[in-house]
Amino acid sequence: NAGVTQTPKFQVLKTGQSMTLQCAQDMNHEYMSWYRQDPGMGLRLIHYSVGAGITDQGEVPNGYNVSRSTTEDFPLRLLSAAPSQTSVYFCASSYSGGPSNQPQHFGDGTRLSIL
Amino acid sequence: GQQVMQIPQYQHVQEGEDFTTYCNSSTTLSNIQWYKQRPGGHPVFLIQLVKSGEVKKQKRLTFQFGEAKKNSSLHITATQTTDVGTYFCAAYTGKLIFGQGTTLQVKP
Repeated sequence: NAGVTQTPKFQVLKTGQSMTLQCAQDMNHEYMSWYRQDPGMGLRLIHYSVGAGITDQGEVPNGYNVSRSTTEDFPLRLLSAAPSQTSVYFCASSYSGGPSNQPQHFGDGTRLSIL
Repeated sequence: GQQVMQIPQYQHVQEGEDFTTYCNSSTTLSNIQWYKQRPGGHPVFLIQLVKSGEVKKQKRLTFQFGEAKKNSSLHITATQTTDVGTYFCAAYTGKLIFGQGTTLQVKP
């Protein structure tokens, strides 16, 4: 039981490049979400999904796309990377009922630098 | 914008001193969660409070939920170096929104 797995752990991109941050969970959690963490800003919600085929925007969705084709995977896509997207990205998941009453399980994070 | 305000942003204490972080919302919350993030790590769930006026304890940690369900606090008694990290509150308002966090440093 690996929990929430994020890949890669570190990535450096050039402005304008695209990439996908991977997130997979093996706990059969229906709810999954992406956060970015910046100094002094806490964790800000980017996108979330309440189940396969369903996604919705969080607090800071601009510049990011998501899809949820399976229960296990929730990739985050940066279409055209910008320096403002330099951050630590965390994926989280929880059981049915979502964050309203279920603890979130976080991955180890992806540290992304955009030059 | 941010709907959950957390103070202070930083706190430095001597080992053995107490520590408190506060979480405030302008709206009534259905529940509140607390997480701890060690330096270089990921947030780890600590506890969830649901009832008005609820108080829960985990060893030296005491969590409170206000009577109006608009504020919460985490109090650590006699801090230890293992308490170092950032403590976040999180509230569900249609989405799970985190406070800015309080980073605790403990001097041995």
